[in-house]
Amino acid sequence: SQQGEEDPQALSIQEGENATMNCSYKTSINNLQWYRQNSGRGLVHLILIRSNEREKHSGRLRVTLDTSKKSSSLLITASRAADTASYFCATDRNTGNQFYFGTGTSLTVIP
Amino acid sequence: DTEVTQTPKHLVMGMTNKKSLKCEQHMGHRAMYWYKQKAKKPPELMFVYSYEKLSINESVPSRFSPECPNSSLLNLHLHALQPEDSALYLCASSQDRLAGASSYNEQFFGPGTRLTVL
Repeated sequence: SQQGEEDPQALSIQEGENATMNCSYKTSINNLQWYRQNSGRGLVHLILIRSNEREKHSGRLRVTLDTSKKSSSLLITASRAADTASYFCATDRNTGNQFYFGTGTSLTVIP
Repeated sequence: DTEVTQTPKHLVMGMTNKKSLKCEQHMGHRAMYWYKQKAKKPPELMFVYSYEKLSINESVPSRFSPECPNSSLLNLHLHALQPEDSALYLCASSQDRLAGASSYNEQFFGPGTRLTVL
């Protein structure tokens, strides 16, 4: 399978806490992206990190990438109830337009 | 306009029906995608169009037939589907890799069509 693996599968935290989710993938990549999906809706792009970058920030989001371990993490700081959603990593290879999504983490932020 | 639209939002069809899903974007993107997503699973890539040409078919059964009539439109024609084909069908678009190896290819997703096959 081309898919990556994410863990945990599900995460439940209190509002204000930080949430960390991890993604591991199998092949060499060009970019790794994180997306959010609210229940039954389309996906929304959160952040992209290139294969030559190690860390990136966007607002309350922090993404790390370790290409030697083929893994990435997404940290959401000071979580809010509105952050409740499923989060997916997606990788694309050095050629072509294929994107492959990880298995996803379902995050619940309790008010 | 950074929106990808999909119609219909919901579709119920019998196994003998023929129907089509439609997707439209006006961002000038030359790569367009169809994904299938089952409940509590990640999106699975079905087809990729690059400059209106089918570039990737991820071994999708022939009862799904994609079409890209122009750079803004993407259709998915459905015929003789099975109940296990019931899912959320997502359309997305992005800049094409041909635009440059370093091009930023964030995907923009539509809201999806919820398909139920009876």
